[in-house]
Amino acid sequence: EDQVTQSPEALRLQEGESSSLNCSYTVSGLRGLFWYRQDPGKGPEFLFTLYSAGEEKEKERLKATLTKKESFLHITAPKPEDSATYLCARHGEKLTFGTGTRLTIIP
Amino acid sequence: EAGVAQSPRYKIIEKRQSVAFWCNPISGHATLYWYQQILGQGPKLLIQFQNNGVVDDSQLPKDRFSAERLKGVDSTLKIQPAKLEDSAVYLCASSTGPQNEQFFGPGTRLTVL
Repeated sequence: EDQVTQSPEALRLQEGESSSLNCSYTVSGLRGLFWYRQDPGKGPEFLFTLYSAGEEKEKERLKATLTKKESFLHITAPKPEDSATYLCARHGEKLTFGTGTRLTIIP
Repeated sequence: EAGVAQSPRYKIIEKRQSVAFWCNPISGHATLYWYQQILGQGPKLLIQFQNNGVVDDSQLPKDRFSAERLKGVDSTLKIQPAKLEDSAVYLCASSTGPQNEQFFGPGTRLTVL
């Protein structure tokens, strides 16, 4: 069974305090690893797709990386508007989501 | 480019009643998905369409849930009869193909009393 585990469940950071979110997943049959952002009351918003170990992608203050067993979402000097739930999803036969990390950036 | 549209945004019903949700995907997107997202969890795939054919409905509770995508564009998801545990946000998503990034609508928040 496809599994995706995200940690931590929740993270509170001061504005400007960098950190990383973790996503571990079932390796067998992986076709891609996706990161989404979800704001309260909205649907998930696509951020990145990673396909192979060593791959990195960046967007503003976010950088996603992929190893053979994990993916990390690094947040550099975050701002309050980065507060959201970040979802990791594994693409095998279908897209399987983790439960997300709820990120709060305190001004 | 217009995004994925869903309606209604909110729905409150009593258990054993029926309810239907509507989705209009991004123009030209052949693949359409319905997800269920329970509070505090990630979205769970219910059904996937490729054009107007079903690709995966393995996690759809077929005794009470049904979905169709007529003419390969709009889609409806129906629950009949609803149970308390069906309270969730129902998300529709679309993509250009089954391996590509999915674009989500705002969702329909269903409360079953």
